[in-house]
Amino acid sequence: DAGVTQSPTHLIKTRGQHVTLRCSPISGHKSVSWYQQVLGQGPQFIFQYYEKEERGRGNFPDRFSARQFPNYSSELNVNALLLGDSALYLCASSLGQQTTNEKLFFGSGTQLSVL
Amino acid sequence: EDQVTQSPEALRLQEGESSSLNCSYTVSGLRGLFWYRQDPGKGPEFLFTLYSAGEEKEKERLKATLTKKESFLHITAPKPEDSATYLCAVQAWEYGNKLVFGAGTILRVKS
Repeated sequence: DAGVTQSPTHLIKTRGQHVTLRCSPISGHKSVSWYQQVLGQGPQFIFQYYEKEERGRGNFPDRFSARQFPNYSSELNVNALLLGDSALYLCASSLGQQTTNEKLFFGSGTQLSVL
Repeated sequence: EDQVTQSPEALRLQEGESSSLNCSYTVSGLRGLFWYRQDPGKGPEFLFTLYSAGEEKEKERLKATLTKKESFLHITAPKPEDSATYLCAVQAWEYGNKLVFGAGTILRVKS
């Protein structure tokens, strides 16, 4: 079975531009979460979606938005890119809402560089 | 104040030299503590979940333990392929469903 897939794997943008990152969860998983990992730090929670509804939001500005589609895939959008947005963006999926401590399965991430 | 702190930041071991990694946390309503392994350029790979103090779990050369304030990841007779960043994360009632990660411990095992 395919794991969590993310695209693109690498992306270079300039300040002020907009970016869309995509994620396909493991087949049968209904929850998708997004995390940002800056070099040398642990992943930081951005969003969680379950059954196409937002179920959690981290401490990120409104420039960050996301959505989940009927097939449970997800997009993360970032507007007005800043240099500090350069990071590895990780998508993770789980069967349910994670209210029962379900483990997350992570994709390999999208490495975003903002110049 | 950091809720999850991992130590050491980096650890160099000789092959076969056993050691432990530490993860301390300050949350009050722990729902679960997770250990992940992350290789360069990859996403974190799930290792263990621990739910209550006193719990232990093992997988090959790795053993994770949990107390009320910290968790240890013991590595017995490590091999070069154990080299990776080991991440600890907590899920707590005050955080909802999200995981709060520590900064990780970079482990290098030399042959």
